Amino acid sequence: ETGVTQTPRHLVMGMTNKKSLKCEQHLGHNAMYWYKQSAKKPLELMFVYSLEERVENNSVPSRFSPECPNSSHLFLHLHTLQPEDSALYLCASSQDRGAHYGYTFGSGTRLTVV
Amino acid sequence: KQEVTQIPAALSVPEGENLVLNCSFTDSAIYNLQWFRQDPGKGLTSLLLIQSSQREQTSGRLNASLDKSSGRSTLYIAASQPGDSATYLCAVDTGANSKLTFGKGITLSVRP
Repeated sequence: ETGVTQTPRHLVMGMTNKKSLKCEQHLGHNAMYWYKQSAKKPLELMFVYSLEERVENNSVPSRFSPECPNSSHLFLHLHTLQPEDSALYLCASSQDRGAHYGYTFGSGTRLTVV
Repeated sequence: KQEVTQIPAALSVPEGENLVLNCSFTDSAIYNLQWFRQDPGKGLTSLLLIQSSQREQTSGRLNASLDKSSGRSTLYIAASQPGDSATYLCAVDTGANSKLTFGKGITLSVRP
């Protein structure tokens, strides 16, 4: 385990479903991130949270809704997704946003939208 | 806008060979550079982190170098093993708010 835990590992959902991805870290980090990894493309930053406050939203469609109830937990709520949203969703954390001490990633959730 | 390039996209080598993976970036104003390993369908495992003031970092059979002025980094793997087969990603941290920009990765296959 890397210190960042993501559940579930795999998720298949229909376009009308509502589901949530969960990320948990016990590293004492203050910043958490959601990334999307699609085939043949570099990782794309989706959301950044610093001290539980959303500080960045990279033009992500509203069908993706993040939530950070405390500094250890991060959620990504999904609703009315499209097949092109199928991807590996990765959560990451860092000591502080701007601390530049590197990132720790989770194992990801493989999402398939049918 | 920072861009990170990793070429070639794939590499196949026989076991035991020493090899170098390359990473280049367009904006030399970085805070650090991080190399990750990703196994198929899995998350990212951090291998080495080089701060902008450093020239290299070593961990076991891995050595990463950084030439910030020329916008280049290399990951050297000594005595490669089949277990080293994975995708290796390079990412640079730029900006005051930890903007992490990734390359597309190099998929390495080490043949027994």
